[in-house]
Amino acid sequence: GAGVSQSPSNKVTEKGKDVELRCDPISGHTALYWYRQSLGQGLEFLIYFQGNSAPDKSGLPSDRFSAERTGGSVSTLTIQRTQQEDSAVYLCASSSLAGRTDTQYFGPGTRLTVL
Amino acid sequence: KQEVTQIPAALSVPEGENLVLNCSFTDSAIYNLQWFRQDPGKGLTSLLLIQSSQREQTSGRLNASLDKSSGRSTLYIAASQPGDSATYLCAVPSGGSYIPTFGRGTSLIVHP
Repeated sequence: GAGVSQSPSNKVTEKGKDVELRCDPISGHTALYWYRQSLGQGLEFLIYFQGNSAPDKSGLPSDRFSAERTGGSVSTLTIQRTQQEDSAVYLCASSSLAGRTDTQYFGPGTRLTVL
Repeated sequence: KQEVTQIPAALSVPEGENLVLNCSFTDSAIYNLQWFRQDPGKGLTSLLLIQSSQREQTSGRLNASLDKSSGRSTLYIAASQPGDSATYLCAVPSGGSYIPTFGRGTSLIVHP
């Protein structure tokens, strides 16, 4: 595709429900990143994929958060039993290499609101 | 752990001014440094990527410099325009890592 796409663009859910956020990276990009941006906060790293494997999950805030990537392409971030503090914009980025020397391209984000 | 600080946090200038945005980082063992732009309600757009072996990069009216030894980078915007209004973010990986740490950003308003 022309760029990184994310869906849905907005998600409103009730506390305790599960949500799935989707990211479609740029075709051919092997590296994929998930970040979270809360109001008044900087970007917080969540997880990194190289192909289908996740060598770095250090940013996931709790075991309620999980992510997978299939076919070296689409990735899904799942949040179980959502809490109000999970409300944020979730951003996905992809790059063509391991990220060391290549540009990261970001999607428009999914705005999650937990009531 | 890498810490990234951006100064100033906010800036409001009249159109036509030349601007300097600052980024400092604590771990100088980095592979690269990247500057992004974020418009309200949107994702991030990459502006410039400087490799650790480079001193600066230029794109149009933008020039970014990197001084690894002092842990600093500056983004220079020449002849600012209202369309430059956005938040500018600096991203720097920690030594040995390819995961970038982002600064809080500089919120820029250029008024006509």
